[in-house]
Amino acid sequence: DAKTTQPTSMDCAEGRAANLPCNHSTISGNEYVYWYRQIHSQGPQYIIHGLKNNETNEMASLIITEDRKSSTLILPHATLRDTAVYYCIVRETSGSRLTFGEGTQLTVNP
Amino acid sequence: NAGVMQNPRHLVRRRGQEARLRCSPMKGHSHVYWYRQLPEEGLKFMVYLQKENIIDESGMPKERFSAEFPKEGPSILRIQQVVRGDSAAYFCASSLDRPDGYTFGSGTRLTVV
Repeated sequence: DAKTTQPTSMDCAEGRAANLPCNHSTISGNEYVYWYRQIHSQGPQYIIHGLKNNETNEMASLIITEDRKSSTLILPHATLRDTAVYYCIVRETSGSRLTFGEGTQLTVNP
Repeated sequence: NAGVMQNPRHLVRRRGQEARLRCSPMKGHSHVYWYRQLPEEGLKFMVYLQKENIIDESGMPKERFSAEFPKEGPSILRIQQVVRGDSAAYFCASSLDRPDGYTFGSGTRLTVV
């Protein structure tokens, strides 16, 4: 699976949009981009995934560049409960494991 | 529809004892994955199972660890002769047979004393 690069940490003000970047320059054509988060010692939580097109659900939006070498997770109105480690992962459609990297520690400040 | 159920939530074992961690996947999910998270470290893949089959165990320590997912009942992660270094949070996840996201359980916190 392709490797991803994320900033170690980010801060965001409560109520503002949180934009979390991810680089995956070696992504191949059959690899999806997944986002998960882990709120302090809880089980990881699936957020969203996409292949080529931008995606939106009740939690977040995923913007994937046209060349697919990078993506951005957008939390439109961050709350204190969104403070967590956010993981960007690429995975083949037929793959099995998700390989978690270091992720981005997002801190939402009041 | 209940999520992925793991039990026990907390497990304390003395060195040399056996630890059994159970995971009931979401209804209809036939794929189960186990991950380990050591204190202050990231999530590490251990094993991927489908019903009655181990598909990928490349992340499993070579000794003392085993996993199964029988036709009936939960998936079991078994650690024999536990040592202090086995103290960690063990997370189970399940999925359908398609590229959707995994659903993780709340984990079992194993403490070896």
